[in-house]
Amino acid sequence: DGGITQSPKYLFRKEGQNVTLSCEQNLNHDAMYWYRQDPGQGLRLIYYSQIVNDFQKGDIAEGYSVSREKKESFPLTVTSAQKNPTAFYLCASSRTDRNTEAFFGQGTRLTVV
Amino acid sequence: GENVEQHPSTLSVQEGDSAVIKCTYSDSASNYFPWYKQELGKRPQLIIDIRSNVGEKKDQRIAVTLNKTAKHFSLHITETQPEDSAVYFCAASEGVTGGGNKLTFGTGTQLKVEL
Repeated sequence: DGGITQSPKYLFRKEGQNVTLSCEQNLNHDAMYWYRQDPGQGLRLIYYSQIVNDFQKGDIAEGYSVSREKKESFPLTVTSAQKNPTAFYLCASSRTDRNTEAFFGQGTRLTVV
Repeated sequence: GENVEQHPSTLSVQEGDSAVIKCTYSDSASNYFPWYKQELGKRPQLIIDIRSNVGEKKDQRIAVTLNKTAKHFSLHITETQPEDSAVYFCAASEGVTGGGNKLTFGTGTQLKVEL
């Protein structure tokens, strides 16, 4: 497996603390995405970015923030404002051609206690 | 926005039988429909996709059909094998201004292939 890497695989945090999830890709993709996966709810889009220094809110952006300072990197911060942060987080990337495959990272399982 | 519904949520078949998973979408502007397979604890991986200018696409034991008028698309797996056991997700996208895909996913189907 290569191409898009998320770290760490498992993350534990205390309630009220901000936490940042890492996502790095070496596929030379311009577009990057963050999804949240909960049991029985599929994948829901948090944020996406089509170019460096620009990003857009997805369907469930409240309580999250992102940055895109480098093409290769798209970190996600889960803030204390996110009411139910425990979930499996998936990062993905794709070319900006329309209708092309999105490649996923292996995910980070965040548990807030 | 787009809404994708997926059925069934669980599907159990005998090895060698066929499996069919169905999805419906709401936004007539959607024009790209990928299917992802996710094994336990692993990343989703694309297994097949279809674009709106095509009604059917086949890749070995896997096929996808699209009915734009009815706004539904289906995944067909023939001659199922134990390694087909996984969660399958459908998705729909209309593409976004500036490029890329804003995928809306179904809720997933847990497929179990029994020996």
